[in-house]
Amino acid sequence: DADVTQTPRNRITKTGKRIMLECSQTKGHDRMYWYRQDPGLGLRLIYYSFDVKDINKGEISDGYSVSRQAQAKFSLSLESAIPNQTALYFCATSEPRPPGTGRKTGELFFGEGSRLTVL
Amino acid sequence: QKEVEQDPGPLSVPEGAIVSLNCTYSNSAFQYFMWYRQYSRKGPELLMYTYSSGNKEDGRFTAQVDKSSKYISLFIRDSQPSDSATYLCAIHGNNRLAFGKGNQVVVIP
Repeated sequence: DADVTQTPRNRITKTGKRIMLECSQTKGHDRMYWYRQDPGLGLRLIYYSFDVKDINKGEISDGYSVSRQAQAKFSLSLESAIPNQTALYFCATSEPRPPGTGRKTGELFFGEGSRLTVL
Repeated sequence: QKEVEQDPGPLSVPEGAIVSLNCTYSNSAFQYFMWYRQYSRKGPELLMYTYSSGNKEDGRFTAQVDKSSKYISLFIRDSQPSDSATYLCAIHGNNRLAFGKGNQVVVIP
C-alpha cells in the first residue's frame, strides 16, 4: 500500500463546482504539502502544514483552501473551480532532520497525484 | 530571476548514451541539492541528494554541484529505457524548497 494516498486519482468537473482532494499518509510525518504541476511550469506549492494547528500559504494559494483534519490527513478544496485550475495535484509529506537521524533535509514523499479537469 | 532555472525542454537519447541535465540557482543560502525522478502517472521520488560541492555517484547516476557557479548537474551513464522519466532538480535552504521545471527524458531502445 502507498504511504501517501490521494483520492480521487482523476476527477472531471464543471466550472463553479466545489471540489475536495484528499490526502492521507501512514508515514507518521508531521509536515504535509499540496503542490500543483503544470506542463512547462513544474511543481508549485499551494499550501503547507507543519503540524495539525499550522497552515501556511504557498506561492499560489488564491482560489484554494486546505484543512488539516489530523496528523495523517490534509485536504485541498477548490471552492469554485475554474478551468485554469486544471492540473495534476500532488500531496507530499516530510519530516524535519534531527541531527544524527540520517534523514535528508528537504526530502519530500509524494502521493501518486490527482488529475483534475475543470470544464 | 527565478530561484531555480531548469530548461524544461524534452530530451531523447539512444540507449547507452550519456544523459546530461542541469539547473542553475540564484540564492547562495541554498544548502541541499536534490534530483527527483518522476515516472509517468506517478509522483516524484528522490533520486540523488547532496549538500557539498563536487560529485556524488550512485551506480550509473552522478550528481555534481558547483556552489561557486550556483550550478548543479545530473549525469546518467549507459542510459536505459527504464530511465525514461521526468527529472526535476530541487534545492533547499532557509526552510524553503524550490523545484526546477523538470526535463522529460526519453531513452530510445
